[in-house]
Amino acid sequence: GESVGLHLPTLSVQEGDNSIINCAYSNSASDYFIWYKQESGKGPQFIIDIRSNMDKRQGQRVTVLLNKTVKHLSLQIAATQPGDSAVYFCAENKAGEETSGSRLTFGEGTQLTVNP
Amino acid sequence: NAGVTQTPKFQVLKTGQSMTLQCAQDMNHNSMYWYRQDPGMGLRLIYYSASEGTTDKGEVPNGYNVSRLNKREFSLRLESAAPSQTSVYFCASSRSQGSYGYTFGSGTRLTVV
Repeated sequence: GESVGLHLPTLSVQEGDNSIINCAYSNSASDYFIWYKQESGKGPQFIIDIRSNMDKRQGQRVTVLLNKTVKHLSLQIAATQPGDSAVYFCAENKAGEETSGSRLTFGEGTQLTVNP
Repeated sequence: NAGVTQTPKFQVLKTGQSMTLQCAQDMNHNSMYWYRQDPGMGLRLIYYSASEGTTDKGEVPNGYNVSRLNKREFSLRLESAAPSQTSVYFCASSRSQGSYGYTFGSGTRLTVV
């Protein structure tokens, strides 16, 4: 459980470097994963997704890697820019839910700071 | 612009007061959700509505009620606010079939004193 004063994991990088943000997920039955970016004072925004039948997916400057063996997800950001500074959340869709709508479970997030 | 609209953006309540947070989406999504976000924590699901006419409890439903007024609107009500409900509240929506990504609103920052 959470406790008062618990800090988000943080990652600080230099502008232009590549960033890797990691996430461990909990449910081996999850079949869909998403990375969200949340800037200060805003709601989370979709970055990239991946389904469990894939190991890797690339977008513009971002790559998501999925290792189902160890239930690990990572987000790689190439040539990190100051505008990439934000909190990044991974989310998993728990398969087998008896609802017509999908339900995502979110990780705690990682604060990425890009230094100029 | 298409998306999820939440009102109000900020609210201060006294303990015991009630209020309703409003959410509307114009993307014709079937499913809608209410999350709360506390410092240093991820998003926790309060209630969701898989489709118009249905609502279900999420992870932290105590102290809240919801109404799916129509396909577009999903409101969250605090009947008797408590300091523990101080948080940022996010509404989200998604298509129910074949698309799992959520679109989030910009949030309501609620303080209960």
